[in-house]
Amino acid sequence: DSGVTQTPKHLITATGQRVTLRCSPRSGDLSVYWYQQSLDQGLQFLIQYYNGEERAKGNILERFSAQQFPDLHSELNLSSLELGDSALYFCASSIGGLATDTQYFGPGTRLTVL
Amino acid sequence: DQQVKQNSPSLSVQEGRISILNCDYTNSMFDYFLWYKKYPAEGPTFLISISSIKDKNEDGRFTVFLNKSAKHLSLHIVPSQPGDSAVYFCAASTPFSGSARQLTFGSGTQLTVLP
Repeated sequence: DSGVTQTPKHLITATGQRVTLRCSPRSGDLSVYWYQQSLDQGLQFLIQYYNGEERAKGNILERFSAQQFPDLHSELNLSSLELGDSALYFCASSIGGLATDTQYFGPGTRLTVL
Repeated sequence: DQQVKQNSPSLSVQEGRISILNCDYTNSMFDYFLWYKKYPAEGPTFLISISSIKDKNEDGRFTVFLNKSAKHLSLHIVPSQPGDSAVYFCAASTPFSGSARQLTFGSGTQLTVLP
Protein backbone atom coordinates (compact mmCIF):
# COMPACT_ATOMS: atom_id res chain seq x y z
CA ASP A 1 0.00 0.00 0.00
CA SER A 2 1.60 3.24 -1.22
CA GLY A 3 -0.58 5.47 0.94
CA VAL A 4 -2.03 7.19 -2.14
CA THR A 5 -5.75 6.61 -2.60
CA GLN A 6 -7.77 7.03 -5.75
CA THR A 7 -11.51 6.90 -6.22
CA PRO A 8 -13.37 5.46 -7.92
CA LYS A 9 -11.53 2.27 -8.93
CA HIS A 10 -13.67 1.80 -12.00
CA LEU A 11 -15.79 4.21 -13.99
CA ILE A 12 -17.96 3.43 -16.99
CA THR A 13 -19.56 6.29 -18.86
CA ALA A 14 -20.71 7.37 -22.30
CA THR A 15 -19.17 9.59 -24.92
CA GLY A 16 -19.79 13.27 -24.37
CA GLN A 17 -20.07 12.92 -20.61
CA ARG A 18 -17.94 14.48 -17.87
CA VAL A 19 -16.29 12.64 -14.98
CA THR A 20 -14.18 13.55 -11.97
CA LEU A 21 -11.38 11.39 -10.63
CA ARG A 22 -10.17 11.95 -7.10
CA CYS A 23 -6.77 11.45 -5.51
CA SER A 24 -5.60 11.73 -1.91
CA PRO A 25 -1.82 11.94 -1.58
CA ARG A 26 0.29 10.34 1.12
CA SER A 27 0.25 12.21 4.38
CA GLY A 28 2.82 15.01 4.20
CA ASP A 29 3.27 14.94 0.43
CA LEU A 30 2.86 18.30 -1.28
CA SER A 31 3.13 17.27 -4.93
CA VAL A 32 0.47 15.43 -6.88
CA TYR A 33 0.94 14.11 -10.40
CA TRP A 34 -1.58 12.71 -12.86
CA TYR A 35 -0.73 10.12 -15.50
CA GLN A 36 -2.71 8.39 -18.23
CA GLN A 37 -1.94 4.85 -19.35
CA SER A 38 -3.70 3.75 -22.51
CA LEU A 39 -3.69 0.16 -23.71
CA ASP A 40 -0.15 -1.20 -24.19
CA GLN A 41 1.31 2.24 -23.65
CA GLY A 42 3.58 3.68 -21.04
CA LEU A 43 2.37 6.20 -18.55
CA GLN A 44 1.87 9.64 -20.06
CA PHE A 45 2.41 12.55 -17.73
CA LEU A 46 -0.56 14.89 -17.67
CA ILE A 47 -0.05 17.51 -14.97
CA GLN A 48 1.62 18.24 -11.64
CA TYR A 49 0.45 20.31 -8.70
CA TYR A 50 2.63 21.43 -5.84
CA ASN A 51 1.00 22.77 -2.68
CA GLY A 52 -2.10 23.90 -4.54
CA GLU A 53 -0.40 25.42 -7.56
CA GLU A 54 0.05 24.01 -11.02
CA ARG A 55 3.75 23.30 -11.56
CA ALA A 56 4.11 21.34 -14.77
CA LYS A 57 1.94 20.41 -17.71
CA GLY A 58 2.47 17.45 -19.97
CA ASN A 59 0.27 15.98 -22.66
CA ILE A 60 -3.00 17.08 -21.12
CA LEU A 61 -5.89 17.77 -23.46
CA GLU A 62 -7.83 21.02 -23.20
CA ARG A 63 -10.92 18.95 -22.34
CA PHE A 64 -9.12 17.83 -19.19
CA SER A 65 -8.46 19.97 -16.15
CA ALA A 66 -7.20 19.40 -12.64
CA GLN A 67 -6.88 21.17 -9.34
CA GLN A 68 -5.36 20.62 -5.93
CA PHE A 69 -7.35 21.70 -2.93
CA PRO A 70 -6.15 23.24 0.37
CA ASP A 71 -6.22 19.80 2.03
CA LEU A 72 -3.89 18.70 -0.83
CA HIS A 73 -6.24 16.21 -2.41
CA SER A 74 -6.55 16.56 -6.16
CA GLU A 75 -9.24 16.06 -8.76
CA LEU A 76 -8.88 15.40 -12.46
CA ASN A 77 -11.87 16.48 -14.51
CA LEU A 78 -12.41 14.91 -17.92
CA SER A 79 -15.12 16.42 -20.12
CA SER A 80 -16.65 15.79 -23.56
CA LEU A 81 -15.36 12.25 -23.24
CA GLU A 82 -14.33 10.31 -26.32
CA LEU A 83 -13.77 6.59 -26.84
CA GLY A 84 -10.03 7.24 -26.92
CA ASP A 85 -10.09 8.58 -23.37
CA SER A 86 -10.62 5.05 -22.09
CA ALA A 87 -7.51 4.35 -20.04
CA LEU A 88 -6.04 3.84 -16.60
CA TYR A 89 -5.51 7.11 -14.80
CA PHE A 90 -2.88 7.12 -12.09
CA CYS A 91 -2.22 9.68 -9.45
CA ALA A 92 1.16 9.88 -7.72
CA SER A 93 2.45 12.00 -4.89
CA SER A 94 5.83 13.03 -3.55
CA ILE A 95 7.10 15.09 -0.66
CA GLY A 96 8.28 17.85 -2.97
CA GLY A 97 9.36 17.79 -6.58
CA LEU A 98 13.08 17.29 -6.22
CA ALA A 99 15.03 14.73 -8.24
CA THR A 100 15.50 12.56 -5.18
CA ASP A 101 11.82 12.63 -4.22
CA THR A 102 10.21 9.32 -5.00
CA GLN A 103 6.80 9.40 -6.61
CA TYR A 104 4.36 7.04 -4.94
CA PHE A 105 1.53 5.85 -7.15
CA GLY A 106 -2.05 5.08 -6.31
CA PRO A 107 -3.78 1.97 -7.66
CA GLY A 108 -5.38 3.90 -10.51
CA THR A 109 -8.87 4.55 -11.84
CA ARG A 110 -9.93 2.55 -14.86
CA LEU A 111 -12.11 4.69 -17.11
CA THR A 112 -14.18 3.06 -19.81
CA VAL A 113 -15.96 5.30 -22.29
CA LEU A 114 -18.69 3.54 -24.29
CA ASP B 1 7.85 10.51 -30.77
CA GLN B 2 8.80 8.01 -28.07
CA GLN B 3 11.67 9.45 -26.12
CA VAL B 4 11.97 6.38 -23.88
CA LYS B 5 11.74 2.99 -25.54
CA GLN B 6 11.50 -0.49 -24.13
CA ASN B 7 11.72 -2.66 -27.21
CA SER B 8 11.02 -5.98 -25.51
CA PRO B 9 7.38 -6.26 -24.45
CA SER B 10 8.10 -9.47 -22.57
CA LEU B 11 10.93 -11.51 -21.07
CA SER B 12 10.95 -14.96 -19.46
CA VAL B 13 13.72 -16.08 -17.17
CA GLN B 14 14.35 -19.14 -15.03
CA GLU B 15 14.30 -18.68 -11.26
CA GLY B 16 17.81 -18.04 -9.92
CA ARG B 17 19.14 -16.73 -13.22
CA ILE B 18 19.81 -13.12 -14.19
CA SER B 19 17.08 -10.94 -15.68
CA ILE B 20 18.23 -8.08 -17.89
CA LEU B 21 15.71 -5.45 -18.89
CA ASN B 22 16.72 -2.83 -21.41
CA CYS B 23 15.70 0.73 -22.13
CA ASP B 24 16.84 3.23 -24.76
CA TYR B 25 16.26 6.96 -24.78
CA THR B 26 16.65 9.69 -27.36
CA ASN B 27 16.57 12.92 -25.35
CA SER B 28 20.13 13.85 -24.36
CA MET B 29 18.72 16.28 -21.78
CA PHE B 30 17.55 13.43 -19.55
CA ASP B 31 19.67 13.45 -16.41
CA TYR B 32 17.85 11.13 -14.04
CA PHE B 33 16.57 7.65 -14.71
CA LEU B 34 14.29 5.36 -12.75
CA TRP B 35 12.83 1.89 -12.85
CA TYR B 36 9.34 1.14 -11.60
CA LYS B 37 7.72 -2.24 -11.07
CA LYS B 38 4.01 -2.79 -11.52
CA TYR B 39 1.87 -5.71 -10.39
CA PRO B 40 -1.65 -6.19 -11.82
CA ALA B 41 -4.32 -3.97 -10.27
CA GLU B 42 -1.70 -1.90 -8.47
CA GLY B 43 0.09 1.34 -9.24
CA PRO B 44 3.76 1.38 -10.23
CA THR B 45 6.25 1.05 -7.37
CA PHE B 46 9.62 2.76 -7.40
CA LEU B 47 12.49 0.28 -7.63
CA ILE B 48 15.79 2.01 -8.25
CA SER B 49 17.18 5.17 -9.81
CA ILE B 50 20.42 6.53 -11.23
CA SER B 51 21.71 10.00 -11.87
CA SER B 52 23.50 10.76 -15.13
CA ILE B 53 26.71 11.47 -13.21
CA LYS B 54 26.92 7.76 -12.38
CA ASP B 55 27.10 4.68 -14.55
CA LYS B 56 25.96 2.12 -12.00
CA ASN B 57 23.74 1.94 -8.96
CA GLU B 58 23.08 -1.12 -6.84
CA ASP B 59 20.37 -1.96 -4.37
CA GLY B 60 20.37 -5.54 -3.19
CA ARG B 61 19.50 -7.84 -6.08
CA PHE B 62 18.85 -4.89 -8.39
CA THR B 63 21.51 -3.03 -10.35
CA VAL B 64 20.94 -0.30 -12.90
CA PHE B 65 23.56 0.48 -15.53
CA LEU B 66 23.67 3.68 -17.55
CA ASN B 67 25.58 4.08 -20.81
CA LYS B 68 25.22 7.75 -21.70
CA SER B 69 27.09 7.56 -24.98
CA ALA B 70 24.75 4.83 -26.20
CA LYS B 71 21.72 6.41 -24.49
CA HIS B 72 21.01 3.04 -22.98
CA LEU B 73 19.82 1.93 -19.57
CA SER B 74 19.53 -1.58 -18.21
CA LEU B 75 18.21 -3.21 -15.07
CA HIS B 76 19.80 -6.41 -13.83
CA ILE B 77 18.04 -8.62 -11.31
CA VAL B 78 20.21 -11.31 -9.73
CA PRO B 79 19.05 -13.84 -8.74
CA SER B 80 15.58 -13.62 -10.24
CA GLN B 81 12.69 -14.80 -8.08
CA PRO B 82 9.09 -15.68 -9.00
CA GLY B 83 7.92 -12.66 -7.00
CA ASP B 84 9.80 -10.45 -9.45
CA SER B 85 7.26 -11.31 -12.13
CA ALA B 86 5.72 -7.94 -13.00
CA VAL B 87 5.76 -5.21 -15.62
CA TYR B 88 8.90 -3.08 -15.40
CA PHE B 89 8.82 0.52 -16.59
CA CYS B 90 11.84 2.59 -17.36
CA ALA B 91 11.41 6.33 -16.80
CA ALA B 92 13.55 9.38 -17.43
CA SER B 93 13.51 12.96 -16.28
CA THR B 94 14.96 16.27 -17.43
CA PRO B 95 16.15 18.95 -15.05
CA PHE B 96 13.37 21.29 -14.13
CA SER B 97 13.38 24.59 -12.39
CA GLY B 98 11.45 25.01 -9.19
CA SER B 99 9.97 21.87 -7.72
CA ALA B 100 8.82 19.95 -10.76
CA ARG B 101 10.15 16.78 -12.26
CA GLN B 102 8.35 15.43 -15.28
CA LEU B 103 8.82 11.71 -15.85
CA THR B 104 8.72 10.18 -19.32
CA PHE B 105 7.93 6.48 -19.20
CA GLY B 106 8.66 3.63 -21.56
CA SER B 107 5.90 1.22 -22.54
CA GLY B 108 7.04 -1.47 -20.12
CA THR B 109 8.43 -5.01 -20.22
CA GLN B 110 6.53 -7.93 -18.73
CA LEU B 111 9.01 -10.07 -16.81
CA THR B 112 8.01 -13.64 -16.02
CA VAL B 113 10.26 -15.62 -13.70
CA LEU B 114 9.64 -19.33 -14.08
CA PRO B 115 10.02 -21.58 -11.01
